[in-house]
Amino acid sequence: EAGVAQSPRYKIIEKRQSVAFWCNPISGHATLYWYQQILGQGPKLLIQFQNNGVVDDSQLPKDRFSAERLKGVDSTLKIQPAKLEDSAVYLCASSLLRSYEQYFGPGTRLTVT
Amino acid sequence: ILNVEQSPQSLHVQEGDSTSFTCSFPSSNFYALHWYRWETAKSPEALFVMTLNGDEKKKGRISATLNTKEGYSYLYIKGSQPEDSATYLCAPLRAGNNRKLIWGLGTSLAVNP
Repeated sequence: EAGVAQSPRYKIIEKRQSVAFWCNPISGHATLYWYQQILGQGPKLLIQFQNNGVVDDSQLPKDRFSAERLKGVDSTLKIQPAKLEDSAVYLCASSLLRSYEQYFGPGTRLTVT
Repeated sequence: ILNVEQSPQSLHVQEGDSTSFTCSFPSSNFYALHWYRWETAKSPEALFVMTLNGDEKKKGRISATLNTKEGYSYLYIKGSQPEDSATYLCAPLRAGNNRKLIWGLGTSLAVNP
């Protein structure tokens, strides 16, 4: 079974630039999560989708972050414009509907200079 | 909001040592507890999902116990090996309509050969 795919694995950008991350969840997983993990902290849920609808985006900084999950499969997370404090690992995870066991992708390590 | 505490923050042990660490969480509104292992440059991997008070789960040399009444879980590693080096994260899931994992900061384990 293929796991959760994410790209790119690493990204370095300057502040005020834009960046986008892509996630392809495990086939059949209705729920998709984007997390931000800053060094020394636990993962912080940015947004949770169920199929193509948003379940929870309470911690998403909506002035600069956006996410979409068209057709309820792949998802993209965008930051525009980036700030220094956005430097983090961005993790995508997916799970079956009504299951809380999450399967994670390898993450994208973003460095904002 | 749940306060999840993991201790110690980091741990260095010698190969062959047994070790344990703690996850504590408010016991009210408890639904389940997840343990994940996150190796550097890899995806977080689910270890255990525990729901019942007194639960004990085991996977190879790693085991976990759960006390929902007092709000803590222990993770044990018997005979640590270098490949056990990782960050171990716990994440309780609270009961209610808006269920989501609340992540601890993790315990970073380094096993020296």
